[in-house]
Amino acid sequence: DQQVKQNSPSLSVQEGRISILNCDYTNSMFDYFLWYKKYPAEGPTFLISISSIKDKNEDGRFTVFLNKSAKHLSLHIVPSQPGDSAVYFCAASAHHAGGTSYGKLTFGQGTILTVHP
Amino acid sequence: DTEVTQTPKHLVMGMTNKKSLKCEQHMGHRAMYWYKQKAKKPPELMFVYSYEKLSINESVPSRFSPECPNSSLLNLHLHALQPEDSALYLCASSRRETVAGELFFGEGSRLTVL
Repeated sequence: DQQVKQNSPSLSVQEGRISILNCDYTNSMFDYFLWYKKYPAEGPTFLISISSIKDKNEDGRFTVFLNKSAKHLSLHIVPSQPGDSAVYFCAASAHHAGGTSYGKLTFGQGTILTVHP
Repeated sequence: DTEVTQTPKHLVMGMTNKKSLKCEQHMGHRAMYWYKQKAKKPPELMFVYSYEKLSINESVPSRFSPECPNSSLLNLHLHALQPEDSALYLCASSRRETVAGELFFGEGSRLTVL
């Protein structure tokens, strides 16, 4: 039972254009969402996050949008650069009674983004 | 210093061997994690240590034995593994495990079990 899904295994974009990566989740207990980027032979690195009390968070070229009713989030990269080529993972966590998430992240399958010069 | 360092980067072992994976962070983080990632799959949580105490074991087989000697170090002891245990083992840390926040990952240890 995959609770976080990234239905596009890959995405190819021209340099300078917008990249939109999508993520869907099924667990309504998730209340915090993160995007990680992973280069080959490296561990995932944190990119941007959003709490369920917001619907948008922006950091430079990266913006994450959250649609709670649709259980959908997306990552927009504008403008895309060749150095953005990597695997992008969506992740989610849930805060349980008492406020703890136990640090557990549930990851999606990842989307391979290729930005062509 | 914002690094999580894992050693070794690559490990090949037989099913009867005993080996250990090591992880170190000097960011003052009080929560450390082991994740396992199989090819073309997302990382999956194995263990969570909070303030050097094991707080989560995601039903991991006993042939994987975690250890947290101090707040900066996390080990994963391996014994009698199976070929299907071959994977990338990722260590991560965070400021604390009680609230959501970004995890800082190491580069991983790629394990091959023959």
